[in-house]
Amino acid sequence: AQKITQTQPGMFVQEKEAVTLDCTYDTSDPSYGLFWYKQPSSGEMIFLIYQGSYDQQNATEGRYSLNFQKARKSANLVISASQLGDSAMYFCAMREGGGNKLTFGTGTQLKVEL
Amino acid sequence: GAVVSQHPSRVICKSGTSVKIECRSLDFQATTMFWYRQFPKQSLMLMATSNEGSKATYEQGVEKDKFLINHASLTLSTLTVTSAHPEDSSFYICSAKELLWETGNTIYFGEGSWLTVV
Repeated sequence: AQKITQTQPGMFVQEKEAVTLDCTYDTSDPSYGLFWYKQPSSGEMIFLIYQGSYDQQNATEGRYSLNFQKARKSANLVISASQLGDSAMYFCAMREGGGNKLTFGTGTQLKVEL
Repeated sequence: GAVVSQHPSRVICKSGTSVKIECRSLDFQATTMFWYRQFPKQSLMLMATSNEGSKATYEQGVEKDKFLINHASLTLSTLTVTSAHPEDSSFYICSAKELLWETGNTIYFGEGSWLTVV
């Protein structure tokens, strides 16, 4: 079974609108961390936001927020007020237990349009 | 924030030769670094875990004799692709976790290295 599932291979959003990128995960470990990274065409992986499994509140970082629904095992990324520079590939990833290996989803290609 | 640097960012090598990619943590110590491979339009796949002062741990299906990993210091890990072939052409990217922090989001990625084998 896939540990991280991103069901949207591609998404379009208009500038200044909000967009939600979906991510579901599968783990039996009670301690885990969920990450979102942005990868522009240059290839670098830019850290966006992190949610720990024991965190009581949903994580937020500027225009990024993580809609963490533990019972549903989902960790969707919400980008508010989209900008043209947000066009990139977005990856959801999970770290299980005390380890630091990340398992990545297949990514969502986001395109922001005028 | 902490920075992880990779070098070279792009490399072209001839088939049959070896190429070395460096991953450095610039302002923190990392006992563990990770090497990932990414094919075009695909996700990142973990190749191996690089442990300072000991042998790397390779993921299933990754040839350890082909992808040599050396983690000689707390700030440097190297990946050497030996006897490279065109099918080894890919994007290689490393990540590192800061030594002092045991929880949280302190996993940093390098800029990645594009390898083309001709």
